[in-house]
Amino acid sequence: QSVLTQPPSVSGAPGQKVTISCAGSSSNVGAGYDIHWYQHFPGRAPKLLIFANSDRPSGISDRFSGSKSGTSASLAITGLQAEDEADYYCQSYDSSLSGYVFGTGTKVTVL
Amino acid sequence: QVQLMESGGGVVQPGRSLRLSCAASGFTFSRYALHWVRQAPGKGLEWVASISFDGSDKNYADSVKGRFTISRDKSQNTLYLQMNSLTSDDTAVYYCARWLQYYYGMDVWGQGTTVTVSS
Repeated sequence: QSVLTQPPSVSGAPGQKVTISCAGSSSNVGAGYDIHWYQHFPGRAPKLLIFANSDRPSGISDRFSGSKSGTSASLAITGLQAEDEADYYCQSYDSSLSGYVFGTGTKVTVL
Repeated sequence: QVQLMESGGGVVQPGRSLRLSCAASGFTFSRYALHWVRQAPGKGLEWVASISFDGSDKNYADSVKGRFTISRDKSQNTLYLQMNSLTSDDTAVYYCARWLQYYYGMDVWGQGTTVTVSS
């Protein structure tokens, strides 16, 4: 089981806002390690959505935003669209494990 | 264009070995650290191993330490994952990914190659 905990699923109607949490601890998020967020459609390559807690790579919609506070981080998706239905993962480094870790993953459903 | 392409997956018996490859193109291979990440059926993403831009530093998840070896060949622009003593728990889609440094995240991923460990 991952040291970064995410809700298994979140859902929202088209146009709404959803938020995905990523709960960590003092050995990862709370230790100051940056959080990255990835979008993953089954059978396809994961895609970097947010790096360094809140920055968006070129080409990523500003409907996606990230934040970090204390031992947790979050990803917000505004103006929810059908194409946003995917799995989302946070990622960090854990000093206790001496390795990189992904969150447990969250499936976003557009109602 | 910038691309990573995995190969080498397949069906293998428990206890046997397999080597995965990840061919890089469209960017300066020697500038980037590289990772292997896997996804077992019905599970989430799991970081497996990483290697620094020059190959001098390697790190492994506890679940594969001592069994898997990551390496890179700059003359071939290729990343490898040697997997030994495979078990059913290693059944997964294996992805390679790059990053310039931790700050920028894994910005390019391959499409994945499937490894099935079964008798």
